Amino acid sequence: DQQVKQNSPSLSVQEGRISILNCDYTNSMFDYFLWYKKYPAEGPTFLISISSIKDKNEDGRFTVFLNKSAKHLSLHIVPSQPGDSAVYFCAAFTGTASKLTFGTGTRLQVTL
Amino acid sequence: NAGVMQNPRHLVRRRGQEARLRCSPVKGHSHVYWYRQLPEEGLKFMVYLQKENIIDESGMPKERFSAEFPKEGPSILRIQQVVRGDSAAYFCASRGQSNQPQHFGDGTRLSIL
Repeated sequence: DQQVKQNSPSLSVQEGRISILNCDYTNSMFDYFLWYKKYPAEGPTFLISISSIKDKNEDGRFTVFLNKSAKHLSLHIVPSQPGDSAVYFCAAFTGTASKLTFGTGTRLQVTL
Repeated sequence: NAGVMQNPRHLVRRRGQEARLRCSPVKGHSHVYWYRQLPEEGLKFMVYLQKENIIDESGMPKERFSAEFPKEGPSILRIQQVVRGDSAAYFCASRGQSNQPQHFGDGTRLSIL
């Protein structure tokens, strides 16, 4: 049962343009959503999070949007840079069970 | 990666041997999580521990796998009698207060011959 889904395995964006990574979930009990970035042979690095009581959170070039009625969130990266090329994981947890449930990841390639 | 240290980074075992994976959390963090990643998949939760206590082991296989987080020293994930299907990357994460993000180590890549 895949409770967190990232339906796009890969995405290619030109440098300077916007990258939009999408994530859908099925468990309405999730309280927090997070995005992690992962380079090969390294662990995931926390990027940004959002509480279920908000619909937007912004941190520099990264913005996360949450649409609870659609059970959908997205990560916007503006402007995209070559160093953003990595695999991005969406994750979620409930307040009572702090284990993270991860999506399968989207590989972002930012081209020159 | 945010101070979580895992060792070894790579571990090779033959079928039937034991594997011990170690994780030292960020200093001051008392919550430790173990996740497993198979090739081309996301990370899957295995176990959540606080000092000397297992809080949630709902993701742990029922046999051969065990975890501990003693009062002193690192957290240990132990896999007995390893099989080929245990080959994966094993990641440890730690966090501080509630709702703070988990910070991950760089993982241990376990290969079974």
